Amino acid sequence: DTGVSQDPRHKITKRGQNVTFRCDPISEHNRLYWYRQTLGQGPEFLTYFQNEAQLEKSRLLSDRFSAERPKGSFSTLEIQRTEQGDSAMYLCASSLVRDLGQINTEAFFGQGTRLTVV
Amino acid sequence: AQSVAQPEDQVNVAEGNPLTVKCTYSVSGNPYLFWYVQYPNRGLQFLLKYITGDNLVKGSYGFEAEFNKSQTSFHLKKPSALVSDSALYFCAVTGGYSSASKIIFGSGTRLSIRP
Repeated sequence: DTGVSQDPRHKITKRGQNVTFRCDPISEHNRLYWYRQTLGQGPEFLTYFQNEAQLEKSRLLSDRFSAERPKGSFSTLEIQRTEQGDSAMYLCASSLVRDLGQINTEAFFGQGTRLTVV
Repeated sequence: AQSVAQPEDQVNVAEGNPLTVKCTYSVSGNPYLFWYVQYPNRGLQFLLKYITGDNLVKGSYGFEAEFNKSQTSFHLKKPSALVSDSALYFCAVTGGYSSASKIIFGSGTRLSIRP
């Protein structure tokens, strides 16, 4: 399977614990996005990378959230000191952006990681 | 700043009838527009996109969408609905001036097709 892969698929954690999620994008894709989705709502933008550079982080995101893409391939999203309000589906997506042509292609999504904070 | 609005939380249509799911957007420069579908307990699946060219774009599963620059809209349409089209639909937009623009999603519209 050459699609976007996310691990784990499900995570249950106690409030106050740290969690880390991993995303492996489609291999030739240079852009990687993280979104958060709650039941019945649209994906909420968290952050995105172009290769290894983090281009933007949502102002709604607290300092407890951090993301990395150290070699421009896979990415990790860490949540420190989890709170019950962090319970959601965390989605990763990737796309290929051709800088010179300034053409954004569609993003392809993984199945997501469902986080439950108890 | 870019934004996208889906004014209807739910759309109900009888099978065989045409359907329309509405989307309006705001973005600096030329917009790139997308529609995605999400079935229960599944990830988001890409349906179609508008980048440039013909205002009517065709996508997967018989869906099409019409780009209207003057009304800043990108409504999703299908001539004849199927029960299997019942799902959550999301419109998304990114700006065209800068390749650094992120993709922003609407709040979603639940499409329900009754037999």
